[in-house]
Amino acid sequence: QKEVEQNSGPLSVPEGAIASLNCTYSDRGSQSFFWYRQYSGKSPELIMFIYSNGDKEDGRFTAQLNKASQYVSLLIRDSQPSDSATYLCAVTHSGSARQLTFGSGTQLTVLP
Amino acid sequence: EAQVTQNPRYLITVTGKKLTVTCSQNMNHEYMSWYRQDPGLGLRQIYYSMNVEVTDKGDVPEGYKVSRKEKRNFPLILESPSPNQTSLYFCASSFRQFDQPQHFGDGTRLSIL
Repeated sequence: QKEVEQNSGPLSVPEGAIASLNCTYSDRGSQSFFWYRQYSGKSPELIMFIYSNGDKEDGRFTAQLNKASQYVSLLIRDSQPSDSATYLCAVTHSGSARQLTFGSGTQLTVLP
Repeated sequence: EAQVTQNPRYLITVTGKKLTVTCSQNMNHEYMSWYRQDPGLGLRQIYYSMNVEVTDKGDVPEGYKVSRKEKRNFPLILESPSPNQTSLYFCASSFRQFDQPQHFGDGTRLSIL
């Protein structure tokens, strides 16, 4: 069973701080990694994807991937109350880009 | 506007009464999939389709059927629904395989009594 683990939270940070979200995965051969944001009652929306080791930055968001340690993280700089949501980590299965496993999500609250 | 459309958005029904949840995308995506989302369990993949007439099981396929007769449509069929299939369902599509980011529909909340 391919596993993707996330701390369910809730994680609370003050407005303007850096929020750090972490995800570990069990399938050493996984190749593609995604972060989705899901507001309560809404569908997931993609915010970042990363395929290679290292950092990938997009605006206030930075995804970090370390395949040797099998973790992927998401940093949100200058956190805003509108960032309050559940963040889902998703990982493709090794040898197959056809199956995707999601973590259970981390609930983030940004306090004004 | 690029979108994935699911219908119905909400449904309350009874055990054993066959139902179909439709999913349609207008982006000419090859890849479509169905997920269910349950509290504490996250999103779990039910079925996926790589193209017309090509479907395969995800992690939790029991009790579900799918078909892909046209590229744009990927209906989810519950032949004999049971209460443990009460859940929030999402359809998603992407250009090719999951190496491409997915677009999600708005979700269908099913309650099986």
